[in-house]
Amino acid sequence: NAGVTQTPKFQVLKTGQSMTLQCAQDMNHEYMSWYRQDPGMGLRLIHYSVGAGITDQGEVPNGYNVSRSTTEDFPLRLLSAAPSQTSVYFCASSPTANYGYTFGSGTRLTVV
Amino acid sequence: AQRVTQPEKLLSVFKGAPVELKCNYSYSGSPELFWYVQYSRQRLQLLLRHISRESIKGFTADLNKGETSFHLKKPFAQEEDSAMYYCALNHRGGGNKLTFGTGTQLKVEL
Repeated sequence: NAGVTQTPKFQVLKTGQSMTLQCAQDMNHEYMSWYRQDPGMGLRLIHYSVGAGITDQGEVPNGYNVSRSTTEDFPLRLLSAAPSQTSVYFCASSPTANYGYTFGSGTRLTVV
Repeated sequence: AQRVTQPEKLLSVFKGAPVELKCNYSYSGSPELFWYVQYSRQRLQLLLRHISRESIKGFTADLNKGETSFHLKKPFAQEEDSAMYYCALNHRGGGNKLTFGTGTQLKVEL
């Protein structure tokens, strides 16, 4: 098992550009989430999904879109990048509601 | 509102000394709590789940509902324990959403 795979690992964007952060898991987990990690703020939930076709907003959803067309994939789209979106982004998946998450290795995004 | 508080940004201990990383939570219900660890430049890893009452790498954590705490403890710190530790609260009944604390950087000195 590869676990949770995120691509790319690093990305630099110009303000206003759009891009998609990819996340894939091969563990057949129903639950998937996107978090951003910022210094002194811990991890904050952006969007989450409880299964294919079902997504919902987390704590900081503005400026981001998600979709979940398959169980395996949960891409995160930045619509128009802003410097405030400079962060490390983590994707995570979980098989059940109380099992705990498996995290990907993260994408370090810089918006200039 | 759900909240997780980790009061210490940095905790520095000597090798062999006991470790206690503090976590307090605010939640109107029966909580599900976790500890995650992030070693330098690595992904977050699940360390403990309160429901399993396990000991991983010598760490334990007990849920104290009266004090609304879930402190992480280890009797004898090792150099390899140096990492960032996050306490997290699961929102029951709604999407398996985790609320994280701001983390505590544990530094074990020789």
